[in-house]
Amino acid sequence: GQQLNQSPQSMFIQEGEDVSMNCTSSSIFNTWLWYKQDPGEGPVLLIALYKAGELTSNGRLTAQFGITRKDSFLNISASIPSDVGIYFCAGLRGGADGLTFGKGTHLIIQP
Amino acid sequence: NAGVTQTPKFQVLKTGQSMTLQCAQDMNHEYMSWYRQDPGMGLRLIHYSVGAGITDQGEVPNGYNVSRSTTEDFPLRLLSAAPSQTSVYFCASSYLGTGEGYTFGSGTRLTVV
Repeated sequence: GQQLNQSPQSMFIQEGEDVSMNCTSSSIFNTWLWYKQDPGEGPVLLIALYKAGELTSNGRLTAQFGITRKDSFLNISASIPSDVGIYFCAGLRGGADGLTFGKGTHLIIQP
Repeated sequence: NAGVTQTPKFQVLKTGQSMTLQCAQDMNHEYMSWYRQDPGMGLRLIHYSVGAGITDQGEVPNGYNVSRSTTEDFPLRLLSAAPSQTSVYFCASSYLGTGEGYTFGSGTRLTVV
């Protein structure tokens, strides 16, 4: 089955740095979702995007729905230790379709 | 609201055993789904339901059955467990169509020996 191309696979950053990750697809999605997953827990929704070109913020997080409907990015500003985890993008075509997930970006913050 | 509740959190099965993973949601969502998460693979859709009495297959349905007798509950049955079904299983629910409110449970970690 199709998966989204999510990059980078992992990021090693210093506390306080900004973070950027993105997802691309060969096909169109009508909804883009960004999740964070901590060890032993389920994915938690961070930001949902429903319209091409939409730019949405949630605190230090900002995400955009690409104009072509084939990509999305997530930025985290001024990273803090609790930002550590795995971030997943997911696309939804609509109707009864399930989510198509990227393979995740593992964020590691070095002291 | 409890959101999406999954039980059990951990389970070990012997090859050939059967079991049911439970999932319940209290958000009155029409859409419910089951995913499995394997290392390096992201999450993959097993089965989904758009309402009580209606279920359909996702990307990796073989070896699993589901039913939806109520809006709230969506159990996943392993008919004859195999080592290849060792995985972490997540149930999710949302409003139908737009993915609004797409919420995951905390998962069931299943090991088949």
